[in-house]
Amino acid sequence: NAGVMQNPRHLVRRRGQEARLRCSPMKGHSHVYWYRQLPEEGLKFMVYLQKENIIDESGMPKERFSAEFPKEGPSILRIQQVVRGDSAAYFCASSREVAEKLFFGSGTQLSVL
Amino acid sequence: QKEVEQNSGPLSVPEGAIASLNCTYSDRGSQSFFWYRQYSGKSPELIMFIYSNGDKEDGRFTAQLNKASQYVSLLIRDSQPSDSATYLCAVNGASSGGSNYKLTFGKGTLLTVNP
Repeated sequence: NAGVMQNPRHLVRRRGQEARLRCSPMKGHSHVYWYRQLPEEGLKFMVYLQKENIIDESGMPKERFSAEFPKEGPSILRIQQVVRGDSAAYFCASSREVAEKLFFGSGTQLSVL
Repeated sequence: QKEVEQNSGPLSVPEGAIASLNCTYSDRGSQSFFWYRQYSGKSPELIMFIYSNGDKEDGRFTAQLNKASQYVSLLIRDSQPSDSATYLCAVNGASSGGSNYKLTFGKGTLLTVNP
């Protein structure tokens, strides 16, 4: 039973480029959450999605960031025109039901040059 | 602003000792409490969760919750060098009108178990 799958594991982008991070939840899980972890900081909630719906994006920066969870395929976190401050580890988590235990993927380490 | 506070450590214990990790939270309406272990450069791994006041034991791990004091702790008995990691406390706030799916994490406590 595969866990939460994220790719790529590492992503290097130059300032101004776009970053696309992918997440496939655990089998049977329909709730997806994205968290960001900055150096020396705790994990911070970004967005909560169910299939085809954004439920809560209150933790997402208002500009340049977007997320989706289409009917088919993985959830995507998209960062346009990246800046150095976007460099962080981005973790995806999933749960079977809302407010149940979260299981995290291995994360994507984004480095902006 | 909901907050979760942890001592950043490092907490250093000898192999075989009991490691005690502590966490306080600000949202009195919080309902669920989780402990995650995170090895350097790896993803958080859920090791314990607790919903009710008191103790919950699972193998070498015991989670303790005191809602009146807004305090949750994790005890690791017979600590092993492989337990060396950062331990993250997370709280799920379901107070009135709040979202019950959003975890608020502490910054974590670095535990080092010395052989």
